[in-house]
Amino acid sequence: EAQVTQNPRYLITVTGKKLTVTCSQNMNHEYMSWYRQDPGLGLRQIYYSMNVEVTDKGDVPEGYKVSRKEKRNFPLILESPSPNQTSLYFCASSLGRDNQPQHFGDGTRLSIL
Amino acid sequence: GDSVTQMEGPVTLSEEAFLTINCTYTATGYPSLFWYVQYPGEGLQLLLKATKADDKGSNKGFEATYRKETTSFHLEKGSVQVSDSAVYFCALSDKWYSGGGADGLTFGKGTHLIIQP
Repeated sequence: EAQVTQNPRYLITVTGKKLTVTCSQNMNHEYMSWYRQDPGLGLRQIYYSMNVEVTDKGDVPEGYKVSRKEKRNFPLILESPSPNQTSLYFCASSLGRDNQPQHFGDGTRLSIL
Repeated sequence: GDSVTQMEGPVTLSEEAFLTINCTYTATGYPSLFWYVQYPGEGLQLLLKATKADDKGSNKGFEATYRKETTSFHLEKGSVQVSDSAVYFCALSDKWYSGGGADGLTFGKGTHLIIQP
């Protein structure tokens, strides 16, 4: 089954404690991206990757890092989380930048206390 | 830059009512247009799409027509069901635009639809 898998689905943690949200896709997609979803703001892109070792900033990259060492994985790293990063996060993948639709994971709800 | 504007809701309807969710856009190029649906606790799923003017996308009884003259892509369904309760996102992908929404995919803020039995 084609899917994008995120882990964890839920996490409550404290300010400053480094965390990583993993994302894996089994569709051999080149393009992957991370979004955050906040009430009244919709989805905003954090980072995207057009292929292995190629990443770039989206609309709201501050406070986040990503890496793309393998085609299937695109982890999101919060080196020093802060309460304003409390949000619902989605990973997505597609065949390429100009190939839609994107396939979304089920989301990760992060709460930073 | 590109933008998508949609009614935010919540929109509350009775079962079997007619649904319209308005969506208008601004784009610098020749965008493709999408409606995504998000059911509670799940990620976004593509509902329908249209890639050029006057195209009509349809799926699961939902329809939307790409209107270039009014820059709109309104979502409609003739008879909604309780199972249609979800958040609906209008989005565009503008391959000629290299700015914010860096992958060319720009979302509206979402419309929360509630269908009562």
